Amino acid sequence: AQKVTQAQTEISVVEKEDVTLDCVYETRDTTYYLFWYKQPPSGELVFLIRRNSFDEQNEISGRYSWNFQKSTSSFNFTITASQVVDSAVYFCALWASFSGAGSYQLTFGKGTKLSVIP
Amino acid sequence: GAVVSQHPSWVICKSGTSVKIECRSLDFQATTMFWYRQFPKQSLMLMATSNEGSKATYEQGVEKDKFLINHASLTLSTLTVTSAHPEDSSFYICSARTVSSDGYTFGSGTRLTVV
Repeated sequence: AQKVTQAQTEISVVEKEDVTLDCVYETRDTTYYLFWYKQPPSGELVFLIRRNSFDEQNEISGRYSWNFQKSTSSFNFTITASQVVDSAVYFCALWASFSGAGSYQLTFGKGTKLSVIP
Repeated sequence: GAVVSQHPSWVICKSGTSVKIECRSLDFQATTMFWYRQFPKQSLMLMATSNEGSKATYEQGVEKDKFLINHASLTLSTLTVTSAHPEDSSFYICSARTVSSDGYTFGSGTRLTVV
């Protein structure tokens, strides 16, 4: 079975603060992908990053950075110098075999609602 | 990049009526599409996987007779909520697997309200 846990339900930060969103995953697969998506109030899902299980290099994209650690099954997301436009719900997702029988699907965490206060 | 167009964006219908939601892949062929449901302040839950030309595969607990999925062509998948009830009110979003860097492309979602 596969599972994604985002323990932080809601986070509030003041603009320009850094914030880290946690994601812990479970899977028996050795080959899998991890994703982060942003969902603004309008509802659409905005793709942020995809990382495969063999690539543990951390990635930075502007104010966004991701820390992938297989040893702790975590794929945390940090926003540096947060802005009001970053306010949204952020989902971590795992693509892996759901039952170990070749049936792959994308499993989402419950999401973390980030509010950036001006 | 790959685009999935989903319509309508929102719909209000009376209890007992049926509603059809369409997802079209605009610049690629989608042999497989996924349908998700998201209740307010909840995560996205996979409802079913639709494959072009064959029957959809439904997740446990999803009524296949209530949520009819048709994937008759490589660019179109539809979800019909039959005899809708207020508890079916939710945000429905489709997705297709792509070869682009993100691996999945999502439609913009449909907010269904059943009154």
